[in-house]
Amino acid sequence: DSGVTQTPKHLITATGQRVTLRCSPRSGDLSVYWYQQSLDQGLQFLIQYYNGEERAKGNILERFSAQQFPDLHSELNLSSLELGDSALYFCASSPPTGVNTGELFFGEGSRLTVL
Amino acid sequence: AQSVTQLDSQVPVFEEAPVELRCNYSSSVSVYLFWYVQYPNQGLQLLLKYLSGSTLVKGINGFEAEFNKSQTSFHLRKPSVHISDTAEYFCAVSPYGGSQGNLIFGKGTKLSVKP
Repeated sequence: DSGVTQTPKHLITATGQRVTLRCSPRSGDLSVYWYQQSLDQGLQFLIQYYNGEERAKGNILERFSAQQFPDLHSELNLSSLELGDSALYFCASSPPTGVNTGELFFGEGSRLTVL
Repeated sequence: AQSVTQLDSQVPVFEEAPVELRCNYSSSVSVYLFWYVQYPNQGLQLLLKYLSGSTLVKGINGFEAEFNKSQTSFHLRKPSVHISDTAEYFCAVSPYGGSQGNLIFGKGTKLSVKP
């Protein structure tokens, strides 16, 4: 158990809909990262938040948005869903260190299926 | 920009045999190097990392990797695998000075250990 909690574990929805994925980082971790894992694209970094503020942005679509709340949990909002958005979405967190150790603690993921 | 190539998408091997999972990277700047492992239905877990110093790094579960700067490689090895090593292995890089979580992952190698 990494200590990172993601809900829901599975989600099935229709094209055009909007969903929200939730992540609670490990206790004490200030950074939250979102990754998308799909068969064709592999693991792609989407976005990072640090203590409530956006820190880095990767290949995140404009239809997607995220935020980190004062209690440090984060939500990833996916709207106008398309079939190609079907993927496993991971949240990860890391401790507040100034050194880039690259060690992220991943949750078990939220599997999104768009029909 | 950085990219990571994992040369084998699948590696079948018998129990107690040695294994090598290959990883090459491309980058115009210096990078940190990582191997992550994903067991079935779980999130990713850090296996080992190279930040600086000795080019041979040891990780958890008996795995080790060697950084070869001239060949831009970071191959993962284990002298004797177990059934429990069956998982997907991801090589990743992170540029010096970059965001800690902005890891660029390879497509993964599925290691299948057979009795």
